[in-house]
Amino acid sequence: DADVTQTPRNRITKTGKRIMLECSQTKGHDRMYWYRQDPGLGLRLIYYSFDVKDINKGEISDGYSVSRQAQAKFSLSLESAIPNQTALYFCATSDKTGHATDTQYFGPGTRLTVL
Amino acid sequence: AQSVTQPDIHITVSEGASLELRCNYSYGATPYLFWYVQSPGQGLQLLLKYFSGDTLVQGIKGFEAEFKRSQSSFNLRKPSVHWSDAAEYFCAVGARNFNKFYFGSGTKLNVKP
Repeated sequence: DADVTQTPRNRITKTGKRIMLECSQTKGHDRMYWYRQDPGLGLRLIYYSFDVKDINKGEISDGYSVSRQAQAKFSLSLESAIPNQTALYFCATSDKTGHATDTQYFGPGTRLTVL
Repeated sequence: AQSVTQPDIHITVSEGASLELRCNYSYGATPYLFWYVQSPGQGLQLLLKYFSGDTLVQGIKGFEAEFKRSQSSFNLRKPSVHWSDAAEYFCAVGARNFNKFYFGSGTKLNVKP
């Protein structure tokens, strides 16, 4: 079984709809992240969480919210989806090591299309 | 401002040829540096990372990268490319306290038979 799973893997929705993307991990890591990937732009950090009570905005948090329900679960919500949120979304995790910035392990991605 | 530049959007090399993918960063202090690979339809996999010490780091799949502080570069190299190396490669830079973490825009590698 994969260590980092994302559901759904693909989603098509309409403008104005509320969408939730879910991420679960079995790696036992404290730290979790949400990124979006757009062609030619690489990955951009949306939100990150260093533990259940510690959630931080990333580079592009506007229009998104997150919930860390447990150590193993980190959900990303689009309260009112818009077409420019069409992208590939990745969840990632990392362990709490001596380095605050350490290796991140990525899920397979969720392809979201907003019509 | 911190940034990561991968100047080559696409690169095509012949199988067996050597490879160098460029990465330049802008960061005020010594960064943490990473190279990730993304195969089609897959998530990102870590190839190698540099935190400190020896500036030449070895990674998986025969890749290596060299940190050159004077050039603000962290180029990825492989002496002999295999067809299975065709993928997109991302360089990433992180601050030591994770208040910043940036990916480059990626380089797509095609491998000719």
